[in-house]
Amino acid sequence: DAKTTQPPSMDCAEGRAANLPCNHSTISGNEYVYWYRQIHSQGPQYIIHGLKNNETNEMASLIITEDRKSSTLILPHATLRDTAVYYCIVRALYFGNEKLTFGTGTRLTIIP
Amino acid sequence: EAEVAQSPRYKITEKSQAVAFWCDPISGHATLYWYRQILGQGPELLVQFQDESVVDDSQLPKDRFSAERLKGVDSTLKIQPAELGDSAMYLCASSPKDRGESDEQYFGPGTRLTVT
Repeated sequence: DAKTTQPPSMDCAEGRAANLPCNHSTISGNEYVYWYRQIHSQGPQYIIHGLKNNETNEMASLIITEDRKSSTLILPHATLRDTAVYYCIVRALYFGNEKLTFGTGTRLTIIP
Repeated sequence: EAEVAQSPRYKITEKSQAVAFWCDPISGHATLYWYRQILGQGPELLVQFQDESVVDDSQLPKDRFSAERLKGVDSTLKIQPAELGDSAMYLCASSPKDRGESDEQYFGPGTRLTVT
């Protein structure tokens, strides 16, 4: 699976949009981009995933560049409960490759 | 909403002692994972089960770690003997067999192990 690069930390004001970048320049055509987050002392939580089209759900939006070498997770109206470590993961979907390879993620702090 | 259950939530043990963690996945989820998370790092897969069979245990230190899922439902992870370097959060996750593209994994709250 392709490697990802994320900034170690970011701050965002409460109520503003939080934009978390991820670089995955070696991504292959069959690899998806996944985002998980981990709130302090809890297990990771799935947020969203995509292949090449932009995706949106009730939690966030995922913007993937046309060349797929980078992506941005957008939390449209950040709240204090969004303070967490956010992990960007790239992986191909096939049987036997289900494991998630986590990096160190981005520690997002929402400022009141 | 169904959740992955883990127990205990916290465990303190002395080095060289045996310790065991239990996980009950979401009902109907065929795939079960055990991850280890060292402080400041992301989780790392230790073992993956599909029903009662081990699919991937390449990162499991088999000289001291063992995992089982005898009936393909709940699972136990054991460490014997525990070492100081085993201090970490042990996370269990599950996913349904027919998960299609989503392949979302559902994580439990974890067991925080401290070895003294």
